[in-house]
Amino acid sequence: GAGVSQTPSNKVTEKGKYVELRCDPISGHTALYWYRQSLGQGPEFLIYFQGTGAADDSGLPNDRFFAVRPEGSVSTLKIQRTERGDSAVYLCASSLSVANEQFFGPGTRLTVL
Amino acid sequence: QKEVEQNSGPLSVPEGAIASLNCTYSDRGSQSFFWYRQYSGKSPELIMFIYSNGDKEDGRFTAQLNKASQYVSLLIRDSQPSDSATYLCAAPYGNNRLAFGKGNQVVVIP
Repeated sequence: GAGVSQTPSNKVTEKGKYVELRCDPISGHTALYWYRQSLGQGPEFLIYFQGTGAADDSGLPNDRFFAVRPEGSVSTLKIQRTERGDSAVYLCASSLSVANEQFFGPGTRLTVL
Repeated sequence: QKEVEQNSGPLSVPEGAIASLNCTYSDRGSQSFFWYRQYSGKSPELIMFIYSNGDKEDGRFTAQLNKASQYVSLLIRDSQPSDSATYLCAAPYGNNRLAFGKGNQVVVIP
């Protein structure tokens, strides 16, 4: 079956701009996670959804970052007033439910110039 | 102390040898552990998970968990060039978010 998909695969933007990154989880997976990975590091947790609600957003670095999952499936990560330090690969993962294995999408490489 | 630590540098092994990777974790309450493989420029791919003390084998991969010592390891037997990748250890914390180590790069030399 189809895995986790993410769009766009690459996004180049200018400092100060607004970006949206989209994640489409595996069908039937109720849990959805966003991570950010910088070069040479492991993925770093940002936010987790169980259904439509954000169950844990403790990893969001500041209030410029926001994510939604209005219908309990597709999720959008939104970054306002982007900064060069936001440049990273943004990974989305989904799992059947909590405590199940997480499967990652291909990621979106964000470059802020 | 980070939640999950992988401190070894790049590991070079000849083709056919055993590659051994180690990971330590700080939360004694952690119940499950995951090993992900990540090829350069790609996303992490789950290759092993382990919940119980002892060994779990899957093909050429063996995961070992020692809860008393708070470490988990991954053995790759009969290493192949296609095993060259970064291996990430992860453990769930809080609401099942995963805490990752920084990864260990493995290079299998033909």
